[in-house]
Amino acid sequence: DQQVKQNSPSLSVQEGRISILNCDYTNSMFDYFLWYKKYPAEGPTFLISISSIKDKNEDGRFTVFLNKSAKHLSLHIVPSQPGDSAVYFCAAKRTSGSRLTFGEGTQLTVNP
Amino acid sequence: DGGITQSPKYLFRKEGQNVTLSCEQNLNHDAMYWYRQDPGQGLRLIYYSQIVNDFQKGDIAEGYSVSREKKESFPLTVTSAQKNPTAFYLCASSQTPTNNEQFFGPGTRLTVL
Repeated sequence: DQQVKQNSPSLSVQEGRISILNCDYTNSMFDYFLWYKKYPAEGPTFLISISSIKDKNEDGRFTVFLNKSAKHLSLHIVPSQPGDSAVYFCAAKRTSGSRLTFGEGTQLTVNP
Repeated sequence: DGGITQSPKYLFRKEGQNVTLSCEQNLNHDAMYWYRQDPGQGLRLIYYSQIVNDFQKGDIAEGYSVSREKKESFPLTVTSAQKNPTAFYLCASSQTPTNNEQFFGPGTRLTVL
């Protein structure tokens, strides 16, 4: 039972344009969501997060949007840079719990 | 310099052998986690520990074992019972068990020949 899904295995965008990565979840108990960035053969690094009490969180070029009614969140990167090329994982948890549930990941490629 | 270390970076073993992956953290974090990553799949939780001398099974614990005798160390043993052990293994920690952000080590690539 895949509780967190990233339906796009890959995304390719031009440098300077917007990248939009999507994530859907099924477990209504999830109330905290995170995005991690991962380069090959390295551990994931935390990028940005959002609590279910908000619908938007912004940090520099990165913005995460949460639509609770649709159980959907998205990560916007503006403007995209070649160094953003990596696999992006969406993760979800209950703030009262300790476990993170990850999506399958989306490979973002930003072309110069 | 605080962080999580995993050693070695690459590990090769023959089929049927047990192998132990190391994970050490100097962040003074209470909770530690082991994940497995396979191509095209997300990170799947193997085991986690919220406190010293205690640990719980994750979603794919079969064929694995762990110990948590010290706060800073959480080794993972991949036993011969694990049917598909070749994978990228990631260790993580969080300040408290319910803390939202987990910090990851660099990972160990295990290849079973």
